[in-house]
Amino acid sequence: QLQLQGSGPGLVKPSETLSLTCSVSGGSISNSNYYWAWIRQAPGKGLEWIGNIYYTGSTYYNPSLKSRVTISVDTSKNQFSLRVTSATAADTVVYYCASRRNGDKGFDYWGQGMPVTVSS
Amino acid sequence: DIVMTQSPLSLPVTPGEPASISCRSSQSLLHNGYNYLEWYMQKSGQSPQLLIYLGSNRASGVPDRFSGSGSGTDFTLKISRVEAEDVGVYYCMQSVQTPFTFGGGTKVEIK
Repeated sequence: QLQLQGSGPGLVKPSETLSLTCSVSGGSISNSNYYWAWIRQAPGKGLEWIGNIYYTGSTYYNPSLKSRVTISVDTSKNQFSLRVTSATAADTVVYYCASRRNGDKGFDYWGQGMPVTVSS
Repeated sequence: DIVMTQSPLSLPVTPGEPASISCRSSQSLLHNGYNYLEWYMQKSGQSPQLLIYLGSNRASGVPDRFSGSGSGTDFTLKISRVEAEDVGVYYCMQSVQTPFTFGGGTKVEIK
C-alpha cells in the first residue's frame, strides 16, 4: 500500500517561490501504473487540480496555473515536487499530493494536507 | 474547461435511510465506452478519499452501500443506507480532459 508524505515550508513571502515535496513509500515512483499529482484546496472551498507527472517526467498542468507551476520527479529519492513561482495571497491554500492509477482509476492515495500561507 | 455542477449543496440525512447526490457536467464525459467521472469523500480535517472511478466502479475498500451511476453529462452517487461515518463533503471530478475539474461539493450531515 502506497503512503505519500508531503513536506515543505508552511510560510512563504509574497513574490517568492513556494516549494513542496512528496515522498512516496510502499512502492516505486517509477511504477508505470501510476501518475503523481498535486491538488490544492482553498480554505473552506473546493478542490483544484494543479497537475500530474509520470515517472518519465512528462507533465500535464492546469492552464490556470501553468505559467507559474513546475512539477518534477526524482526517481532516485522516490519523490516528486511542486514549485509555484511569484506566490500571492491566492496561493494560501492546502496542498495535497496524490497518486493516480493509470487507466483513469482515480486518485487512490493522498498525502496529508499541507497548509501554506503566503504572507510577509 | 468542463464545468461540474453538484446538487444539492447540503444534504441532511437520517441514518439508515438512502441518500443521493447529483453531478452534471457541461460536456459529455463518455469516451471510448467509459464515463470519466470520479467521486471523492472528504471528512472534516482529512484528505479526500476515492469512492468511485469510471462512473460506477467502487474503489478498493469502499463499502458496497456506495454506488455510482449515470452516463454522458448526468451522474448520481447513491448511499443505500447512510451511516454516521458517511458525514463529510462529497465531490465529483471529471477526467475526460485536462484540466481535471471538480464539482463544488455536497455536504452530507446527519439530521
